[in-house]
Amino acid sequence: EDQVTQSPEALRLQEGESSSLNCSYTVSGLRGLFWYRQDPGKGPEFLFTLYSAGEEKEKERLKATLTKKESFLHITAPKPEDSATYLCAVQFSGGYNKLIFGAGTRLAVHP
Amino acid sequence: GAGVSQSPSNKVTEKGKDVELRCDPISGHTALYWYRQSLGQGLEFLIYFQGNSAPDKSGLPSDRFSAERTGGSVSTLTIQRTQQEDSAVYLCASSFLNQPQHFGDGTRLSIL
Repeated sequence: EDQVTQSPEALRLQEGESSSLNCSYTVSGLRGLFWYRQDPGKGPEFLFTLYSAGEEKEKERLKATLTKKESFLHITAPKPEDSATYLCAVQFSGGYNKLIFGAGTRLAVHP
Repeated sequence: GAGVSQSPSNKVTEKGKDVELRCDPISGHTALYWYRQSLGQGLEFLIYFQGNSAPDKSGLPSDRFSAERTGGSVSTLTIQRTQQEDSAVYLCASSFLNQPQHFGDGTRLSIL
């Protein structure tokens, strides 16, 4: 069964304390892996797409990486405004364009 | 530019009533998706429209759920005879072909 698992469920960091979020997946034929950020009461906001193992994307303090079984979202020197829920989703062969989402990681960055 | 617009932003209704949720996608986007987000859970795919092709309805949880997309633009998700387990945030997304999906802020549906 196609599945996406994110860990940890929740993460509390001090401002400036770098860390990583994990997204592991089991799908038959990965077409793309997506990271989104979701603020309370808002829809998910697109961050990155990764298509093949070894690929990396960066945006400000965020860096996403991909292997054949998992993806990491590295957060370097986070600020309180990085506090949000981070969602991972995959597209797979035969699934057309629909996304399978993980349950998300709730990140809280404290000053 | 304008993003995906959903209305209403909140809807409270009694069990057994029908509800209609509306989504206006980003102009020019060919694909439109509906997802459901229940409290503490990940987003669950419901239905997908791509151009004039037959929609992928594989995620609809029961025959009480239906959706249509008129003129390749606006979409309406209808839930008939609502049940308490239908309470959730209903999110709409759109994309150009297979580009990343962009989401609206959702409709928060509460069934009393």
